Amino acid sequence: NAGVTQTPKFQVLKTGQSMTLQCAQDMNHEYMSWYRQDPGMGLRLIHYSVGAGITDQGEVPNGYNVSRSTTEDFPLRLLSAAPSQTSVYFCASEAGGTGEYEQYFGPGTRLTVT
Amino acid sequence: EDQVTQSPEALRLQEGESSSLNCSYTVSGLRGLFWYRQDPGKGPEFLFTLYSAGEEKEKERLKATLTKKESFLHITAPKPEDSATYLCAVGIGNQFYFGTGTSLTVIP
Repeated sequence: NAGVTQTPKFQVLKTGQSMTLQCAQDMNHEYMSWYRQDPGMGLRLIHYSVGAGITDQGEVPNGYNVSRSTTEDFPLRLLSAAPSQTSVYFCASEAGGTGEYEQYFGPGTRLTVT
Repeated sequence: EDQVTQSPEALRLQEGESSSLNCSYTVSGLRGLFWYRQDPGKGPEFLFTLYSAGEEKEKERLKATLTKKESFLHITAPKPEDSATYLCAVGIGNQFYFGTGTSLTVIP
């Protein structure tokens, strides 16, 4: 199993550009989520999904869109990049239902918006 | 409004010097209290889930405990490879809220 994979690892955008951060998992997990991690702020939840076709907003959703057409994939779209979106982005998945609620995190995407 | 607070922000220990990290929380409807380890440049790695006050879990040199308002991560006789940032999170419904972490350095 590859676990949770994210692409790209690094990205530089200009203000106003759009892009999609990719996330995929091969563990058949129902729950997937996106976080951003900034110095001194901790991980903050952007959007999450409890299954294909179902998404919801987290703590900091503004400026981001998500969709979940398959169990495996959960892309994060930046509609019009702003310098405030410079951050490290992590995708995570969790089996859901009963259990440990253990989240598996991807390796992250480091995004710089100039 | 801070829901999860971790202390200290940074901790330096000599190899073999035991200590504890603290995670305090102010939430209701707690689904679970989670501990993760994060190495530089990598995603967090799951360590423990605690569900109710009085619960304890152990893994190698780490032991996590939970009360109604806080959790402790006890590190016994740490080794340099235990150096990392330790993150605490609380689960409420389908959402998770993370603290800012404790950066642990273990000196040989």
